[in-house]
Amino acid sequence: GQQLNQSPQSMFIQEGEDVSMNCTSSSIFNTWLWYKQDPGEGPVLLIALYKAGELTSNGRLTAQFGITRKDSFLNISASIPSDVGIYFCAGPPIIQGAQKLVFGQGTRLTINP
Amino acid sequence: KAGVTQTPRYLIKTRGQQVTLSCSPISGHRSVSWYQQTPGQGLQFLFEYFSETQRNKGNFPGRFSGRQFSNSRSEMNVSTLELGDSALYLCASSLVGGQGLYEQYFGPGTRLTVT
Repeated sequence: GQQLNQSPQSMFIQEGEDVSMNCTSSSIFNTWLWYKQDPGEGPVLLIALYKAGELTSNGRLTAQFGITRKDSFLNISASIPSDVGIYFCAGPPIIQGAQKLVFGQGTRLTINP
Repeated sequence: KAGVTQTPRYLIKTRGQQVTLSCSPISGHRSVSWYQQTPGQGLQFLFEYFSETQRNKGNFPGRFSGRQFSNSRSEMNVSTLELGDSALYLCASSLVGGQGLYEQYFGPGTRLTVT
């Protein structure tokens, strides 16, 4: 099936730094989603991308839908302590009628104050 | 608008027992999906329901089942629990048409521990 690979798996940064993470697939996706999960909670949708090349922002977060449709990127600018958590990319497999998401393994973000 | 709610939040069961988890979607969302999250396997799709019908199913044994009611609320059931069923079970709801089709909104999850 379609798999999503996220990198890096973990990041340790200083408060105020910018963060970049990415997600790649061997198959194309028509939609890319980015979620953040805090401990003990469900994932929260951050950004949805629908078109190759699309660049979308949500506050300090910016995500891009790769031109090849096989990757996506998430950037966080000027990180703050509440950015700590696990970030997941996700997308629906290109199977007719497949209303489901496949997820990457996540990127765990830790911020040193 | 209220988010997705799941009950109970925590559950401890013994091997061999069965369990039923409940999910109420966001008002107006008619598609409900279930996922299992474990440290080893990550987030894995269990099944998706729309209009009281299961439309998609993941690669899980038949011990995992679900249903959806006419008000879009959903339940999932796991029978003959095994230790490996310990996980966070997440429910997500979404609209059924338009660009938001794949935007799934998750509940807080039910943490199931099997002893």
